[in-house]
Amino acid sequence: NAGVTQTPKFQVLKTGQSMTLQCAQDMNHNSMYWYRQDPGMGLRLIYYSASEGTTDKGEVPNGYNVSRLNKREFSLRLESAAPSQTSVYFCAGRQGSYEQYFGPGTRLTVT
Amino acid sequence: GQSLEQPSEVTAVEGAIVQINCTYQTSGFYGLSWYQQHDGGAPTFLSYNGLDGLEETGRFSSFLSRSDSYGYLLLQELQMKDSASYFCAPRSEDKIIFGKGTRLHILP
Repeated sequence: NAGVTQTPKFQVLKTGQSMTLQCAQDMNHNSMYWYRQDPGMGLRLIYYSASEGTTDKGEVPNGYNVSRLNKREFSLRLESAAPSQTSVYFCAGRQGSYEQYFGPGTRLTVT
Repeated sequence: GQSLEQPSEVTAVEGAIVQINCTYQTSGFYGLSWYQQHDGGAPTFLSYNGLDGLEETGRFSSFLSRSDSYGYLLLQELQMKDSASYFCAPRSEDKIIFGKGTRLHILP
């Protein structure tokens, strides 16, 4: 079992470029999440998906879109990257009532 | 709306006990989780309280008072490897938000 995997691990973008962050899980999670983490800000919820076919906005959804492609995969898209989106992005899955399993993170820099 | 408060930093001595408090305000509250994160790593699950009272998992315990919208994480017999950031995370149905985290410094 790979758990929760994220690709890429590192990425540098120029302002205005687009990219998709990939997340996949093999733990049969119903719910999946995208968070961003900035120094001193903790983790902030961008979007989440309670089940296949549903997505909901979190605390900071502006500038992002998501796709729950199937039960395993939940992608995060930046259509036009901005320097303010420089951050570490974590994907997480949840099967039971509480425990989330996190991927290793994607470190994104927008110049 | 939602709000979450926990201390930004706590310092304790190796072998001692430390308590990290968390107050929250969230609609449709289900329960409160705690996570640990070492520098450069991903958060890992520590404990969960769905009901009032104390949950114990080894050296770590967590407490919840739903009526006070308050919880805490208790770490006993502190070890240097416990130096990390700790996050409380209230759950509202499927939505889970995190606090800004408490940085725990441990002195030898």
